[in-house]
Amino acid sequence: DARVTQTPRHKVTEMGQEVTMRCQPILGHNTVFWYRQTMMQGLELLAYFRNRAPLDDSGMPKDRFSAEMPDATLATLKIQPSEPRDSAVYFCASGSTAGGDTQYFGPGTRLTVL
Amino acid sequence: AQSVTQPDIHITVSEGASLELRCNYSYGATPYLFWYVQSPGQGLQLLLKYFSGDTLVQGIKGFEAEFKRSQSSFNLRKPSVHWSDAAEYFCAVGANFGNEKLTFGTGTRLTIIP
Repeated sequence: DARVTQTPRHKVTEMGQEVTMRCQPILGHNTVFWYRQTMMQGLELLAYFRNRAPLDDSGMPKDRFSAEMPDATLATLKIQPSEPRDSAVYFCASGSTAGGDTQYFGPGTRLTVL
Repeated sequence: AQSVTQPDIHITVSEGASLELRCNYSYGATPYLFWYVQSPGQGLQLLLKYFSGDTLVQGIKGFEAEFKRSQSSFNLRKPSVHWSDAAEYFCAVGANFGNEKLTFGTGTRLTIIP
């Protein structure tokens, strides 16, 4: 049963600290998405990659957030420095343009910034 | 710009009763439509999707949805709900089989009473 995995599942940190979230997409999927879910804003797209190249990162605060795909099996989302308003659940999703396979979501990383 | 409206924030139904969750979308091209379900503390699970063809689509867990282009709607239905269906339900619209940005509605929280 292929799944998107995310680590860590929970993270509590103090304001100003660096946070790194990791995602392993489903093997063979060539598109990776990062979403953020908050009570106020709901689900919003931060960035997404295709074949490891960024396609759209317009939803991401550029001054503190960065997203990368070091290789096809790993996507990372970093926040530096973190702020309390970054507290949210961050979801990774993956999909494949070959065969029209749609987005499947990971379990999320619940981030709390104190 | 694309948008999704889920007019019902919270719905309560009795176990065994039928269910319909409403979703209206605004999209400039042929929409790819999705319903996801999120249980507390969990990620989003794909219930069903509409790409083209038959406007009544079947999904997992006994759910179905009907695409009505004239009404820009994609309502989710289930003939008889189970207590395990209590969750939050999200409607989404996107392009390219869902392999581009998905725009989500604000969600409908479903409560089941015995």
